[in-house]
Amino acid sequence: KQEVTQIPAALSVPEGENLVLNCSFTDSAIYNLQWFRQDPGKGLTSLLLIQSSQREQTSGRLNASLDKSSGRSTLYIAASQPGDSATYLCAGGTPGGSNYKLTFGKGTLLTVNP
Amino acid sequence: EPEVTQTPSHQVTQMGQEVILRCVPISNHLYFYWYRQILGQKVEFLVSFYNNEISEKSEIFDDQFSVERPDGSNFTLKIRSTKLEDSAMYFCASTGWGEKLFFGSGTQLSVL
Repeated sequence: KQEVTQIPAALSVPEGENLVLNCSFTDSAIYNLQWFRQDPGKGLTSLLLIQSSQREQTSGRLNASLDKSSGRSTLYIAASQPGDSATYLCAGGTPGGSNYKLTFGKGTLLTVNP
Repeated sequence: EPEVTQTPSHQVTQMGQEVILRCVPISNHLYFYWYRQILGQKVEFLVSFYNNEISEKSEIFDDQFSVERPDGSNFTLKIRSTKLEDSAMYFCASTGWGEKLFFGSGTQLSVL
């Protein structure tokens, strides 16, 4: 059974700082890995999807990596801004049903201070 | 970007009542899901649905829960007799094969 853990649970940084959020998973037979952003009381916005055959994905100031052998993924945010403040969720995809299903971590609450 | 739409955004009900949560997935997607998030806890998988049938369900998804795609656009989650512990944010999601999951903005269900 896939278990996903995110460290740290909360992170506070000054504006402009580069930062890394960590995610670890127990089942290396991972199908894909997604990073999401969740604002308070809101839905989940998909940020990046890394397929199992890929090592990293980039979108703007975001870069996500995947290391299946060590069971780890990182989300790198460059030049952080107050608008980046949110909870960031990591989710590992494992084969389920006819496609795949996601197992989520508890998230990292990021606060970027102006 | 296309969106998954969920209604209502908030639902308050009395314990023992039936509720139906509604979702309109992205139009060309074939795989549909319900997840839920109890306050302060992880987002949990409930059920996946493909080709008009359940393809996988979690242990949470007991006989009180059912899903249906009544027409070509809607996807619903029914809870037959709600319990206090069903209070949560319920998320609908859809995707194509092997693509990223798109989530709706959720329905906050409060059972009193």
